[in-house]
Amino acid sequence: GEDVEQSPFLSVREGDSSVINCTYTDSSSTYLYWYKQEPGAGLQLLTYIFSNMDMKQDQRLTVLLNKKDKHLSLRIADTQTGDSAIYFCAAHGSSNTGKLIFGQGTTLQVKP
Amino acid sequence: GAVVSQHPSWVICKSGTSVKIECRSLDFQATTMFWYRQFPKQSLMLMATSNEGSKATYEQGVEKDKFLINHASLTLSTLTVTSAHPEDSSFYICSARDLGGEGATFFGPGTRLTVL
Repeated sequence: GEDVEQSPFLSVREGDSSVINCTYTDSSSTYLYWYKQEPGAGLQLLTYIFSNMDMKQDQRLTVLLNKKDKHLSLRIADTQTGDSAIYFCAAHGSSNTGKLIFGQGTTLQVKP
Repeated sequence: GAVVSQHPSWVICKSGTSVKIECRSLDFQATTMFWYRQFPKQSLMLMATSNEGSKATYEQGVEKDKFLINHASLTLSTLTVTSAHPEDSSFYICSARDLGGEGATFFGPGTRLTVL
């Protein structure tokens, strides 16, 4: 089955760019997602990318997809303290019914 | 994007009682919804797939008699935690896929259950 991996922690200074990385195993995943979770809150869909795209940009967020290496990254430009949260990468399982397989999450710490 | 709501957002109950959590897709129809639970500082664990008009599909290790799922309409799925115990305390989150749109999956805001 699908397996999604993320590094657990990233610390950056305010104003710098953050890059959160993710790898997945199932090359048939049609959509790949990035969700943000603040303490005590639910999941906020940040952005998603369809598997036939290499890059998607939305304001401060840039998603890069390398299908060959099964590698997904999320770049946050001009990182702010409000960006501190846990970021989850997720991919559809091989059935593509909508069931998502999540990485363990990357805690982003933004220092002032 | 599409909106998925959950009710209640938080609930506190006594051990042995049952709690019902609702998940609604507000502006799209969802023949399939998903229920996850999340323990503190952990990732989401899929519990079951809720299918409109048929039985839910449970993941391995999830007790179907304890976590009752009903998908009565194309916009509503309910999860009932029966005879809740303190170890059931968790964050329960539902999701639905908007097949009428771009096909992305949207999550509800979650329900925090605390069993005393």
